[in-house]
Amino acid sequence: DAGVTQSPTHLIKTRGQHVTLRCSPISGHKSVSWYQQVLGQGPQFIFQYYEKEERGRGNFPDRFSARQFPNYSSELNVNALLLGDSALYLCASSPVAGASYNEQFFGPGTRLTVL
Amino acid sequence: SQKIEQNSEALNIQEGKTATLTCNYTNYSPAYLQWYRQDPGRGPVFLLLIRENEKEKRKERLKVTFDTTLKQSLFHVTASQPADSATYLCALVRSSASKIIFGSGTRLSIRP
Repeated sequence: DAGVTQSPTHLIKTRGQHVTLRCSPISGHKSVSWYQQVLGQGPQFIFQYYEKEERGRGNFPDRFSARQFPNYSSELNVNALLLGDSALYLCASSPVAGASYNEQFFGPGTRLTVL
Repeated sequence: SQKIEQNSEALNIQEGKTATLTCNYTNYSPAYLQWYRQDPGRGPVFLLLIRENEKEKRKERLKVTFDTTLKQSLFHVTASQPADSATYLCALVRSSASKIIFGSGTRLSIRP
């Protein structure tokens, strides 16, 4: 069975641009969470979606937004990119709503570099 | 503010020995604590979850303890092997929140 997939693998953008990252959860999983991981740090929670509804939000500015589609795939959008947005963006899926206290399955991530 | 601290330096262990990683937290009352393994360039992989009312959890060569009085979790890898070399992350979550907080990780190296 395919695991969580993310696209693109790598991305280079310049300051002020907009970026869209995509995630496909494991088949049958209805919950998707997004994380930002800066080099040398642990993942930082951005959003959680379940059944197309936002269930949780971390301490990120409004430049960050996300949505979940009827097929449970998800997009993370970041507007007005800053140098500090350079990081590995991870998507994780879970079969249930309480993703935080159940096993989450992470994708390989999208490496975003902002120049 | 909420703070999670893992072993500040990388841990270097001889093969066959037990590696012990520490996760300490302050200003937080987690209901659950999770441990993940992360290899370079890859996403974290879930290993174990322990609840606040559980003292110890085991899975094969892995053992986790959770002391809510000390605000500490210990992660043990027994009979360590070079393949256990990776970064290990602890993560905390309250039962009322969907938000999960990760530590910065400890890089474990097992030398043959």
